[in-house]
Amino acid sequence: QLQLQESGPGLVKPSETLSLTCTVSGGSISSSSYYWGWIRQPPGKGLEWIGSIYYSGSTYYNPSLKSRVTISVDTSKNQFSLKLSSVTAADTAVYYCARVDSRLQDAFDIWGQGTMVTVSS
Amino acid sequence: DIVMTQTPLSLSVTPGQPASISCKSSQSLLHSDGKTYLYWYLQKPGQSPQLLIYEVSSRFSGVPDRFSGSGSGTDFTLKISRVEAEDVGVYYCMQGIHPLTFGGGTKVEIK
Repeated sequence: QLQLQESGPGLVKPSETLSLTCTVSGGSISSSSYYWGWIRQPPGKGLEWIGSIYYSGSTYYNPSLKSRVTISVDTSKNQFSLKLSSVTAADTAVYYCARVDSRLQDAFDIWGQGTMVTVSS
Repeated sequence: DIVMTQTPLSLSVTPGQPASISCKSSQSLLHSDGKTYLYWYLQKPGQSPQLLIYEVSSRFSGVPDRFSGSGSGTDFTLKISRVEAEDVGVYYCMQGIHPLTFGGGTKVEIK
């Protein structure tokens, strides 16, 4: 059974870069049927898509974050990563990684448990 | 960007009674490939969101048949035929045309 687990610092200073990793277990990250995404949720608020990466390496980013976001895949480690630069308090949120299943019309079908990241000095 | 508007913001339902959530998009979700990219997710308290419905009306594996999705173009609905205690949480619609966007959520609680 495929599982996703986010990891990374829970506290990031303003203006620094937030770096998170999502480890995929129970399956390969390299399957052409799937791709991978990041979604975040500020405390008490709704969901915001950050970006997605296809198995080919192609990326799609939320235009509101595009200038600060980089998503990459490390197939050797079965992981994909998120980097968000120049963070502010507005980037404080629970960050989720998720699998996108192209057979389910690109639905986010499996989600990680989420990791809380606080931006504060 | 496509704006997704959900109503109502919250819903209090007696167990066994039906519930309905509306989701309207600011533009048609009918893609040039002929598919409509509309999904429904449920975020139970303290949990990650979970997929309920994809492609407007297709139930994800393991989702009870009391959940159904319908709609087309810009107007979509999630219906729960008989609400159970385990259905509490926040329901989100999401559209799948880049950039992806979510509705603001509808909180469902039990009376």
